[in-house]
Amino acid sequence: DTAVSQTPKYLVTQMGNDKSIKCEQNLGHDTMYWYKQDSKKFLKIMFSYNNKELIINETVPNRFSPKSPDKAHLNLHINSLELGDSAVYFCASSGGTVAYEQYFGPGTRLTVT
Amino acid sequence: GNSVTQMEGPVTLSEEAFLTINCTYTATGYPSLFWYVQYPGEGLQLLLKATKADDKGSNKGFEATYRKETTSFHLEKGSVQVSDSAVYFCALSTNTGFQKLVFGTGTRLLVSP
Repeated sequence: DTAVSQTPKYLVTQMGNDKSIKCEQNLGHDTMYWYKQDSKKFLKIMFSYNNKELIINETVPNRFSPKSPDKAHLNLHINSLELGDSAVYFCASSGGTVAYEQYFGPGTRLTVT
Repeated sequence: GNSVTQMEGPVTLSEEAFLTINCTYTATGYPSLFWYVQYPGEGLQLLLKATKADDKGSNKGFEATYRKETTSFHLEKGSVQVSDSAVYFCALSTNTGFQKLVFGTGTRLLVSP
């Protein structure tokens, strides 16, 4: 049974479109994250939610809007997609907010043409 | 600010060779330190962690010791296997406030038979 799942696995779209990536975890964790991994494999946190509340918001463009309908889900909506948004997006969850192991989903490869 | 520096890759080794991947960090306070591994096409998995100075994390034959005096957390394995080929990420998390993992740039390991 998958611990952290993301859909879709691949997403190819054109510039200017709006798209969403969904994330679900069945680990009973309180904290969820979105990370962006660029073409050079560099990983950077974008957002973190704890009990459905936003606690970390790095300097991410306003076109990116996370939404957490409940503790098990954290979705990422992206408006007006740009070429530079092409990357692999990883969702993760953890059982606490300090020094806990984070469990990562398999990633969503977004390609903007 | 907090940062992690890893050795550039790729690291190319023959099976059964000794592995060292260097990692140094800069942090305020006393962070927790982690090694994550990413196999091709997959998300990240925690390999090992250490939460205080002189702790040694170990898993699957990999080891790393938290060295406060040299601000290092080098990853070692005595005898690598082809199945160890992956990208390895060193990361830190501060132990105050909400957890935010700060990753190094990743080091690709290629092991040949």
